[in-house]
Amino acid sequence: KAGVTQTPRYLIKTRGQQVTLSCSPISGHRSVSWYQQTPGQGLQFLFEYFSETQRNKGNFPGRFSGRQFSNSRSEMNVSTLELGDSALYLCASSSAGTRDSPLHFGNGTRLTVT
Amino acid sequence: AQTVTQSQPEMSVQEAETVTLSCTYDTSESNYYLFWYKQPPSRQMILVIRQEAYKQQNATENRFSVNFQKAAKSFSLKISDSQLGDTAMYFCAIPNTGNQFYFGTGTSLTVIP
Repeated sequence: KAGVTQTPRYLIKTRGQQVTLSCSPISGHRSVSWYQQTPGQGLQFLFEYFSETQRNKGNFPGRFSGRQFSNSRSEMNVSTLELGDSALYLCASSSAGTRDSPLHFGNGTRLTVT
Repeated sequence: AQTVTQSQPEMSVQEAETVTLSCTYDTSESNYYLFWYKQPPSRQMILVIRQEAYKQQNATENRFSVNFQKAAKSFSLKISDSQLGDTAMYFCAIPNTGNQFYFGTGTSLTVIP
């Protein structure tokens, strides 16, 4: 089975712009989660989608949004970018979307905001 | 809410030796799961091992094993016969009922040839 695929791998954006990140989960996985990883804050949960519904959301401002399509692919959008949004954004899928199901991560998208 | 603490920011071990990475956690739930992930320089997070809290037996995956002390809320990872490919950041994690994973701050492990 193919793993979790995230595109693009690298992005450079300017403050005030918006960005869309894409994630294709492992085939058959219905849950997709997004995490932000920074040296200072570590790994922080953004949100989780299951069967096109957002089930859980972390403590991030409304500029961070996402969605999931019927084929389980997910996108994450960040509007009005700030310098502090520079981070590695990780997407993870799991088969059942329950806490006993391990997360399978993609390679991440490295976002740099200048 | 769950919390996870990894008190060793950096560790090193000689190739072929054994190393133990520490993790403590807090949760109000009676049944839960614990995970160790590794993140090599390639940056992809990879599952190392999973432990079910209601199981007394410590989980083992090849050279990786855990020492799970439920009463002490401790979940350490032991790597035996360390290999160069074990060089990575290691994260301990615990999910809540909403499948939100809480990660520790990580331990950077370097295997020295």
